[in-house]
Amino acid sequence: ETGVTQSPTHLIKTRGQQVTLRCSSQSGHNTVSWYQQALGQGPQFIFQYYREEENGRGNFPPRFSGLQFPNYSSELNVNALELDDSALYLCASSTGAGGNTIYFGEGSWLTVV
Amino acid sequence: GENVEQHPSTLSVQEGDSAVIKCTYSDSASNYFPWYKQELGKGPQLIIDIRSNVGEKKDQRIAVTLNKTAKHFSLHITETQPEDSAVYFCAASERFGNEKLTFGTGTRLTIIP
Repeated sequence: ETGVTQSPTHLIKTRGQQVTLRCSSQSGHNTVSWYQQALGQGPQFIFQYYREEENGRGNFPPRFSGLQFPNYSSELNVNALELDDSALYLCASSTGAGGNTIYFGEGSWLTVV
Repeated sequence: GENVEQHPSTLSVQEGDSAVIKCTYSDSASNYFPWYKQELGKGPQLIIDIRSNVGEKKDQRIAVTLNKTAKHFSLHITETQPEDSAVYFCAASERFGNEKLTFGTGTRLTIIP
């Protein structure tokens, strides 16, 4: 049990649409990160939030955006969906103290058709 | 940025034998090295981690070794069991205070009964 809960577990969207994925972390986890994992590959870092501010971003375009809320929940928003956005989206959280254990949720499977 | 290479990509081991997975990293500033196990359709599960001030860590049948000079670290699983079959990912944290993980490409481990 990682204490990281994601929703929805699966969803299908049409190219050009927008999607919001949600994550709930355990209390005290001030840092949340989002990762994209394409089929057969390792997770790729999208961005990280620390105390509700973006604190690091990977090689993803601005149509990938996020929010972190004071209640340890967060969102990943993707606009103008493309077929290549089809992937498992993973939320990860930690206490934010640097080099600390990072726990992952089960992920949200997004299929873009 | 950090680059993590992982070998082998697939590994088949007879039940009861040992399995070893190796990773190398490029950024000498990396100081945190977790290993994750991912089962089909699930998120990555942390199985063991090691920090740069430690050379070896063991947890029951699982051990990790780190050679900072050579910039490589390895996962050792002894007395393998069928439930050890999964995809294993190594990862490195780029710098202290940053929770971004750079993942290897994964090793599909199959335990042959």
